[in-house]
Parts: sequence; C-alpha cells; structure tokens
Amino acid sequence: EAGVVQSPRYKIIEKKQPVAFWCNPISGHNTLYWYLQNLGQGPELLIRYENEEAVDDSQLPKDRFSAERLKGVDSTLKIQPAELGDSAVYLCASSLGAVPSYEQYFGPGTRLTVT
Amino acid sequence: AQTVTQSQPEMSVQEAETVTLSCTYDTSESDYYLFWYKQPPSRQMILVIRQEAYKQQNATENRFSVNFQKAAKSFSLKISDSQLGDAAMYFCAYRSATGANSKLTFGKGITLSVRP
Repeated sequence: EAGVVQSPRYKIIEKKQPVAFWCNPISGHNTLYWYLQNLGQGPELLIRYENEEAVDDSQLPKDRFSAERLKGVDSTLKIQPAELGDSAVYLCASSLGAVPSYEQYFGPGTRLTVT
Repeated sequence: AQTVTQSQPEMSVQEAETVTLSCTYDTSESDYYLFWYKQPPSRQMILVIRQEAYKQQNATENRFSVNFQKAAKSFSLKISDSQLGDAAMYFCAYRSATGANSKLTFGKGITLSVRP
C-alpha cells in the first residue's frame, strides 16, 4: 500500500513569490493534517481536514496561507506571498479518522527555501 | 496547554550498545497517549512506539521500549542493540485521548548518532 505522497520534495523560490505544496493521503484516510517543521524543531499543526472540511485551522496564518481539500482526497497548501521566515519543511499526514487512537502516517515533506 | 520537553539535543551510542532518550511532559489530563517518532534524513516521520496513559505496563516493540512514569510525567525511550539504521532525529509527542480535536504536540527532538 502506498504511503502519504507529497510533492515537490524541494522548492526554492524568491520572497514574495507564491508556492504550492501537494499531498495525496493514504487511500481511505478521512483525516488529513498539514504540519510546519522549522529547523531543529518538532512539527506544529497548521490545519486538519475531516474529509473536505477544515475543522481545525487555528494555527494557519490566514493572511498568506491557504489550503484546500477538494473531494476529500488530495490537498494543496499554498503560500502567497512567501516570506523569508517561511523557509521550513511542510509535512502532510493522514489517518483513518480524528479519533486520538488512530495512528497518523506522515509523508516525506516538502523542504521550502525562500531567498 | 500541554508541553513536551526534550532537554538533550544530541546523543551518541556505540553500535550494539543501549541508549536511553529522555522526555518529560506537562499536562493536567489523566487520559492521553505518548509517542516516540523517528525522523531519518529522508524526513519521513515514522512511529516507533506508543503508550496509553491508562496502561501501567510499559510498551515494547522489538528493540525499543519505554519507561513511562506517569506521576513524574516522564517518558523515556530505550533502544537496545543499537544499529546504524537507528541514527535519526527522535521526537517525543503527546496527544490527549479526549476529543477529536486533540492534536499531537511534539518536543524539539534529539539527534541520535550511532558509532560503528
């Protein structure tokens, strides 16, 4: 069974440019998470989806970040415009449901460098 | 709010030896889960082991075991017979067992190196 797929693996952009990250969760997983991982830190939740509904986006900086999960499968996270401080790894994870006992499976992440 | 503290930024172990990684957490809840995740250079976060707070017995998974001290809010990971493939960043994480809105809270991680 395929794991969580993310693309691209690496992205380098200039500040003020837009960027988008894509995530394909494990088949059948209703819950999808986007995490931000700064260098030398643990991941921090940005947004959680239950099917196509964003049910926890309290940590998402909505002035420049947006996300969508059309049809409740793939998801895209966008930053516009990017700032130098956005350089980080963006991780996607999925689970069968939001119940805490369900394991979260992580993708390999996208490393973003903003110059 | 819950916090997870990993005070050791780096550790090193000789191949085939045993190493213990420390983690403490702070919570006012009684029902929760604790996790250890491994993140190799490929960045794929992998679940190593998990502990339910209501279980007194320490979890074990092959060469990995935990020492869960609920009263002390301590959750250490022991890796026995260390292998070169164990070299990675290890993150301790907490998740409340109540409510679907509970989220994983991670520590800052510890970099483990394995000497051949």
